[in-house]
Amino acid sequence: EEQLVESGGGSVQPGGSLRLSCAASGFTFSNYEMNWVRQAPGKGLEWVSYISTSLTSIYYAESVRGRFTISRDNTKNSLYLQMNSLRAEDTAVYYCASGRGLLGTFDLWGRGTLVTVSS
Amino acid sequence: DIVMTQSPDSLAVSLGERATINCKSSQNILYGSNNKNYLAWYQQKPGQPPKLLFYWASSRKSGVPDRFSGSGSGTDFTLTISSLQAEDVAVYYCQQYYSTIYTFGQGTKVEIK
Repeated sequence: EEQLVESGGGSVQPGGSLRLSCAASGFTFSNYEMNWVRQAPGKGLEWVSYISTSLTSIYYAESVRGRFTISRDNTKNSLYLQMNSLRAEDTAVYYCASGRGLLGTFDLWGRGTLVTVSS
Repeated sequence: DIVMTQSPDSLAVSLGERATINCKSSQNILYGSNNKNYLAWYQQKPGQPPKLLFYWASSRKSGVPDRFSGSGSGTDFTLTISSLQAEDVAVYYCQQYYSTIYTFGQGTKVEIK
């Protein structure tokens, strides 16, 4: 069974940093492009970042560009999101997601990890 | 960025009745070279991640009941549930993937009247 499991969430003060991880299993991770999508409590979905299978293409939402860095390690079947200079508005459940080859869609999702930015 | 606007924000429909959700993009998301609309629909139930229902605006993902249909082209799209069932209570989102900055609509909450 294809599965994504996020970890690394928690509480952090404004200006702090966190690194999220997403462990993939049940499929050939290196074949799928990957994304981070977040959802603030009680709010809608916001795409955060994309990374291609070969790491050659990386995109960010304007709201996180320059503060967040997406990366992946195909040898470890893992996706990462380094989040720096965190703000209260970054508080959300962060999902890793993939379109399973259908670029731009999100067909495979993890359960998410909650990031809370508060003093 | 392409702005996706859904209407209504919420709707209450009787069991067995039709539910219609609209989604409008701020620019054309029909790619001329392949005649495909870069539009997806998702269903999210409380406490769960979203579930992909449609891609290319009207291609139903395997396993999605055929009471769900997606239509539209260019800038105007519709998700229709022909006969609402109790298990369809959820928030529905449209999303464009025409641009590499992917954007979602704000969501439409569907409830039972």
